[in-house]
Amino acid sequence: NAGVTQTPKFRILKIGQSMTLQCTQDMNHNYMYWYRQDPGMGLKLIYYSVGAGITDKGEVPNGYNVSRSTTEDFPLRLELAAPSQTSVYFCASSYDGYGYTFGSGTRLTVV
Amino acid sequence: AQSVTQLDSQVPVFEEAPVELRCNYSSSVSVYLFWYVQYPNQGLQLLLKYLSGSTLVKGINGFEAEFNKSQTSFHLRKPSVHISDTAEYFCAVRDLYNTDKLIFGTGTRLQVFP
Repeated sequence: NAGVTQTPKFRILKIGQSMTLQCTQDMNHNYMYWYRQDPGMGLKLIYYSVGAGITDKGEVPNGYNVSRSTTEDFPLRLELAAPSQTSVYFCASSYDGYGYTFGSGTRLTVV
Repeated sequence: AQSVTQLDSQVPVFEEAPVELRCNYSSSVSVYLFWYVQYPNQGLQLLLKYLSGSTLVKGINGFEAEFNKSQTSFHLRKPSVHISDTAEYFCAVRDLYNTDKLIFGTGTRLQVFP
């Protein structure tokens, strides 16, 4: 049982480049979330989804996009990377919206 | 909007000493409350949760938390900490009737010294 898998684990981007952070879960969870974690700031919700085909903005959605074409996958897209997007990104899933299962994170640096 | 306050950004403590990590939330409406732990270079793991019932909740690794509705608090405690408890601890809240997402506090870094 893999749980929540995030790829890549590390990435360095140049300003203006684009990339997709992948997130896959094998627990058949309906709820999925993307958070970013900055030192001393805790976790901020970027986007979330309550099921395939349904997505909604969180606290800090600007500069990001998501899609949820299947129950398993919830990719996060950065279109024009900026230094402010340097962060650690966590994907999480949940069966009922209460207990979350987190991935191990993607550390992104934008230079 | 719901918010969570963790007053202590860092808590240093010696091994085998008791510890309390404080958490307060903003709303007086019915809420669900959680504590998560993050070990270095890992994702978050659920320590314990309060959904309803007894206000004293026991979690993994000997941690417990008490829900206090009048003080809108959900403090985490452990009577005797170990070196292995060194980690970042996050309190989170979810409204009973509003939204499908958790709101996290800024975290408390617990550093256990030998």
